[in-house]
Amino acid sequence: EPEVTQTPSHQVTQMGQEVILRCVPISNHLYFYWYRQILGQKVEFLVSFYNNEISEKSEIFDDQFSVERPDGSNFTLKIRSTKLEDSAMYFCASSGAGEDEQYFGPGTRLTVT
Amino acid sequence: AQTVTQSQPEMSVQEAETVTLSCTYDTSENNYYLFWYKQPPSRQMILVIRQEAYKQQNATENRFSVNFQKAAKSFSLKISDSQLGDTAMYFCAFMKHGSNYQLIWGAGTKLIIKP
Repeated sequence: EPEVTQTPSHQVTQMGQEVILRCVPISNHLYFYWYRQILGQKVEFLVSFYNNEISEKSEIFDDQFSVERPDGSNFTLKIRSTKLEDSAMYFCASSGAGEDEQYFGPGTRLTVT
Repeated sequence: AQTVTQSQPEMSVQEAETVTLSCTYDTSENNYYLFWYKQPPSRQMILVIRQEAYKQQNATENRFSVNFQKAAKSFSLKISDSQLGDTAMYFCAFMKHGSNYQLIWGAGTKLIIKP
């Protein structure tokens, strides 16, 4: 069964460093998403991506965040200068059509020290 | 803005019992989708069940069913004949129809199935 994959599973970085979180969505999907879940808090939407551009972003997704689909298979989330409060679980998801089920990856746990 | 509320932080039941998880939401939209996702200890989000707001019939998926009350903005999940593998966090989520397709999430309910 096709699945969304994410790498790495756990990333530890120092405050101020740049990190790139990688996702491989399901191959025939067209819509891609990033969500994050700070420990003990709700899952929060970050950004949606369709047709090689951002279709929606939340208030959390400020200038330090960017997304890219560099090669037609990967979907990346870059955090330019990490802060302590960026520590969270980051989930990538994809769907075939906008209102279809979103399939989630296993997440990347980001720890900023 | 839409909000989703899950008022039960944690529940536990004996194996084989039936359990109902509550979810309420607030929206001014008429067309939308509601979801229940399961997050086991492995942490991967798995879709349990989905309901289209325009459908009056409650969605069912094997042992999982919902009680969708549109006027009351309530969307509860019933798990029948609960199994140890049902132990997980359960999240209720809302998606507006025809929008950017972002999911808006409740805080989750931790469900523990005891042997």
